[in-house]
Amino acid sequence: KAGVTQTPRYLIKTRGQQVTLSCSPISGHRSVSWYQQTPGQGLQFLFEYFSETQRNKGNFPGRFSGRQFSNSRSEMNVSTLELGDSALYLCASRPVAGGPEQFFGPGTRLTVL
Amino acid sequence: GNSVTQMEGPVTLSEEAFLTINCTYTATGYPSLFWYVQYPGEGLQLLLKATKADDKGSNKGFEATYRKETTSFHLEKGSVQVSDSAVYFCALRNTGNQFYFGTGTSLTVIP
Repeated sequence: KAGVTQTPRYLIKTRGQQVTLSCSPISGHRSVSWYQQTPGQGLQFLFEYFSETQRNKGNFPGRFSGRQFSNSRSEMNVSTLELGDSALYLCASRPVAGGPEQFFGPGTRLTVL
Repeated sequence: GNSVTQMEGPVTLSEEAFLTINCTYTATGYPSLFWYVQYPGEGLQLLLKATKADDKGSNKGFEATYRKETTSFHLEKGSVQVSDSAVYFCALRNTGNQFYFGTGTSLTVIP
């Protein structure tokens, strides 16, 4: 069974631009969560989607948004990029919302110049 | 609220040394506790878990015991190998099924 895939793996953007990251969960998994990982802050929860609906949201500004499609693939969008948005963005899937275990993708490394 | 605190790194050990990475948590109710490992360039992988007090999770020689009285879930391994070099994250899943992660502890094992 293929794991969680994220595209692209690396991105370089400049301040003020916007970016879209993509996540394909494990086949059959319907819940997708997004995390931002930075040195010193660890993993911070962005949001979770299940059946195309946002179920939980972390404490991030409205510039961070997401959506989920009917095939459970999810996208995350960050608008008006800031230098502090440079991070590794991780996606995790689980079979159902609130399922006991998360499976992580390799992440997308975003660098904002 | 919910939070996880783990010991700051980086930790550097010689091969075959004993490893302890401390983790304490704050949570309402009865959370499940996890250790995840992240190898360079990869996402997080579940290492072990414990779902109730006094449970011991174990995998690949690593162990951690869910201690409710001390709100701790310390990771231990009796003899580390070079291949154990990675970043280790302690995490909890609360009764609302949300995950909270510690900041990670980097481990380097030298031959």
